[in-house]
Amino acid sequence: QKEVEQDPGPLSVPEGAIVSLNCTYSNSAFQYFMWYRQYSRKGPELLMYTYSSGNKEDGRFTAQVDKSSKYISLFIRDSQPSDSATYLCAMSLNNNAGNMLTFGGGTRLMVKP
Amino acid sequence: GAGVSQSPSNKVTEKGKDVELRCDPISGHTALYWYRQSLGQGLEFLIYFQGNSAPDKSGLPSDRFSAERTGGSVSTLTIQRTQQEDSAVYLCASSPAGGRVEKLFFGSGTQLSVL
Repeated sequence: QKEVEQDPGPLSVPEGAIVSLNCTYSNSAFQYFMWYRQYSRKGPELLMYTYSSGNKEDGRFTAQVDKSSKYISLFIRDSQPSDSATYLCAMSLNNNAGNMLTFGGGTRLMVKP
Repeated sequence: GAGVSQSPSNKVTEKGKDVELRCDPISGHTALYWYRQSLGQGLEFLIYFQGNSAPDKSGLPSDRFSAERTGGSVSTLTIQRTQQEDSAVYLCASSPAGGRVEKLFFGSGTQLSVL
């Protein structure tokens, strides 16, 4: 069993829809949780970053962390075709130099005009 | 300013050949990471450099893989006697001193295909 599980999709939604992306994990020691967006033939770019449990909102994006359930989510409101990409969740044990990120496999999202 | 630069962007090689992949981090970034992304898989950690030293080589999959960093800047990842299972996108990332996770920047990667 992988340490971080993520539905690979693809997830296809119409423009304007609310998108929910999720990851589950097994290591309760993870404290830092991130969502990366990766366009085709590009490297991942950080979208959201959350420490411990709770919600964080940034524009159309909301990240949720439920450590008790070992479950994290990314919500995208009013989705746009430009949101079409692969979304990777990632997590780490600490925030020190050299700390390794553990990634999910990524969910491919397609937003159709 | 310039981001993390990787070269070549694509590399096709024959099984058994050696390959070198290059990473130019963001100027001033002291931490440098290599990750591997296989088709449909998440990123797999390979190695981490702080300056020129590599405190963590735990992710290198076999002794055919090695990496070095010179002058606290450019890094090369070398794969000897390539195998078909080495085919993947090799991503480099850098971060400023302190290594905070939210300050990690990735390059666009090198797509390696081993025939």
